[in-house]
Amino acid sequence: AQSVAQPEDQVNVAEGNPLTVKCTYSVSGNPYLFWYVQYPNRGLQFLLKYITGDNLVKGSYGFEAEFNKSQTSFHLKKPSALVSDSALYFCAVRPYGGSQGNLIFGKGTKLSVKP
Amino acid sequence: GAGVSQSPRYKVAKRGQDVALRCDPISGHVSLFWYQQALGQGPEFLTYFQNEAQLDKSGLPSDRFFAERPEGSVSTLKIQRTQQEDSAVYLCASSLGGEQYFGPGTRLTVT
Repeated sequence: AQSVAQPEDQVNVAEGNPLTVKCTYSVSGNPYLFWYVQYPNRGLQFLLKYITGDNLVKGSYGFEAEFNKSQTSFHLKKPSALVSDSALYFCAVRPYGGSQGNLIFGKGTKLSVKP
Repeated sequence: GAGVSQSPRYKVAKRGQDVALRCDPISGHVSLFWYQQALGQGPEFLTYFQNEAQLDKSGLPSDRFFAERPEGSVSTLKIQRTQQEDSAVYLCASSLGGEQYFGPGTRLTVT
């Protein structure tokens, strides 16, 4: 079965420290990979995507993610966390690549950044 | 419009009632998706339209769920004879290909 795993329900980081939110996937073919962020009472906001090319992709708000094919991982990272980064983060995959088709989401990781 | 809009934002229904949830996608976006997000979970795919054609409805949990997009723009998700397990946030997303842009969702509570 195709799936996305986010092994941590919550990640706690001190402001200014680097952060990592983990994601692994299990799909057929060469998937498209995404990260979204969800603030309370708001819709999911796109952060970044990997389609092909450089394994390190840069996105909005200083976030970046590293695609690792051998480990089937796509971890989200930021060199220096801000309190305003506190939110719910979702990793998602579109199986088989392509420009169409639904996303499969992980269950989300709550990021808490303390001053 | 600037983004995807959904209405109503909140809906309380008594068990057995029918509900209709509306999605206005970003103008010109060909693809439209509906997802269901249960509390504490990630969104789960329900159905997908390309223009007015419903290309995939494999995620609809039962025949009580029905979606349409008759003119290839606005879409409506209808749930008949609502059950408590239907309580969730229903998200709509639109896309031109590539990333999907999500609306704020409709929180449905079935009592």
